[in-house]
Amino acid sequence: DAGVIQSPRHEVTEMGQEVTLRCKPISGHNSLFWYRQTMMRGLELLIYFNNNVPIDDSGMPEDRFSAKMPNASFSTLKIQPSEPRDSAVYFCASSRRLAYPDTQYFGPGTRLTVL
Amino acid sequence: KNEVEQSPQNLTAQEGEFITINCSYSVGISALHWLQQHPGGGIVSLFMLSSGKKKHGRLIATINIQEKHSSLHITASHPRDSAVYICAVTNRDDKIIFGKGTRLHILP
Repeated sequence: DAGVIQSPRHEVTEMGQEVTLRCKPISGHNSLFWYRQTMMRGLELLIYFNNNVPIDDSGMPEDRFSAKMPNASFSTLKIQPSEPRDSAVYFCASSRRLAYPDTQYFGPGTRLTVL
Repeated sequence: KNEVEQSPQNLTAQEGEFITINCSYSVGISALHWLQQHPGGGIVSLFMLSSGKKKHGRLIATINIQEKHSSLHITASHPRDSAVYICAVTNRDDKIIFGKGTRLHILP
C-alpha cells in the first residue's frame, strides 16, 4: 500500500492567497484526520471525518479554514485567505475506524509557508 | 495544567542505554497513542494501547489505567532512535489530546 498521500509537499504563497492541501487516505480506512504542527503549539488536531462525514471540527482555528471529504479516497483542507501565522506543517492521517480507536497512519505532511 | 504530561522534555543518552519516557494523563480515555517524529518531520504511529503492554522490536509500551500513566521503553538504544516521541490520548468524546513530546538524542 502506498500509505497516506499528501500534496503538495511544500507550498509557499503570499498572504491573502487561497491555499488547498490535499490528502488521499489509505484504501479501506474509514476515518481521516487533519493536524497542524507549529513550534509554538506543537501538534494540534484540526478536524476529523468518519465515513466522509465531519465528526469534530472544534480544532479548526477560524472561519478561514475549511475541510471537505467528498468521497472515501480524497480530502481537502482549504485556507482562504491565508495569513503568515498559518505557516506550519499540515499532516493528514487515516485509520480503519473511529468508534474503537485504531492506529493512525500519518502522511508525510505539507510544509506551508505564507509570506 | 495540561491534560497530557510527558517527561522528560529532553533526554540525551549513550548508545545502548535503556530509555524510558513517561506519560501521565488526567482524563478518562479509550486509547493512548505513542507517536514518533523524526527530524525530517514525518510522524509514525508506534503503539495504540487501551490496557496492558505491547512490544514491537526494541520498543515496549505499557499502560496503567488505574494510575493514568503510560511508559515507552527503548532497549539497546541506537542513534537512529533519536526523534521526538509524542504521547496522545483519545478521550471519551473521541477527542485526541497531545502531550508536548519528548526530544530524545542518542549519542554514538
